[in-house]
Amino acid sequence: DAKTTQPNSMESNEEEPVHLPCNHSTISGTDYIHWYRQLPSQGPEYVIHGLTSNVNNRMASLAIAEDRKSSTLILHRATLRDAAVYYCILRVLYGGSQGNLIFGKGTKLSVKP
Amino acid sequence: EAQVTQNPRYLITVTGKKLTVTCSQNMNHEYMSWYRQDPGLGLRQIYYSMNVEVTDKGDVPEGYKVSRKEKRNFPLILESPSPNQTSLYFCASSSREERYGYTFGSGTRLTVV
Repeated sequence: DAKTTQPNSMESNEEEPVHLPCNHSTISGTDYIHWYRQLPSQGPEYVIHGLTSNVNNRMASLAIAEDRKSSTLILHRATLRDAAVYYCILRVLYGGSQGNLIFGKGTKLSVKP
Repeated sequence: EAQVTQNPRYLITVTGKKLTVTCSQNMNHEYMSWYRQDPGLGLRQIYYSMNVEVTDKGDVPEGYKVSRKEKRNFPLILESPSPNQTSLYFCASSSREERYGYTFGSGTRLTVV
């Protein structure tokens, strides 16, 4: 399975933007980049995903490098409720593990008031 | 409301007593998965299913069984639970179509004594 690399932890101040990086140098042309987050004592929650172009939704923005070997999840104004573990995952589109979702260790985001 | 429902939320059982954790989704999703989460080890996949009657092993399938007789249900069976299966379990589902992410259940905290 294609692997991703994320920093173990990051800190942010409330109401400031947060840029969470992810490296995926072995990504294949048909792998989608997915981001999930897990708040304390809850199940993972879908945040955003994309293939090649940058994506925006109500929760966040996803910036994808031109060569697709890295991406950045952007929270435009961090709130205390955004404190969570953020996972960057490559979702395979074709092949034996099509559609499967394999989690790495993720980045633990702390938000300071 | 679109959701993944797991039952029970909490369960304490004894070693060797067969148990089933149920998972049901109301979104007509093709893909379903089971994960376990342990401190320091993150989310590890137990089994996944790409559609009815199609299941495959994840990273940690030993001691678990699954079945997918209907599209909406994906029960996790522990034939002879052992203390090392004490964990937090999550079920998840997704459409085959790539524009959607996975939806996770609220989790089942299992303790085997």
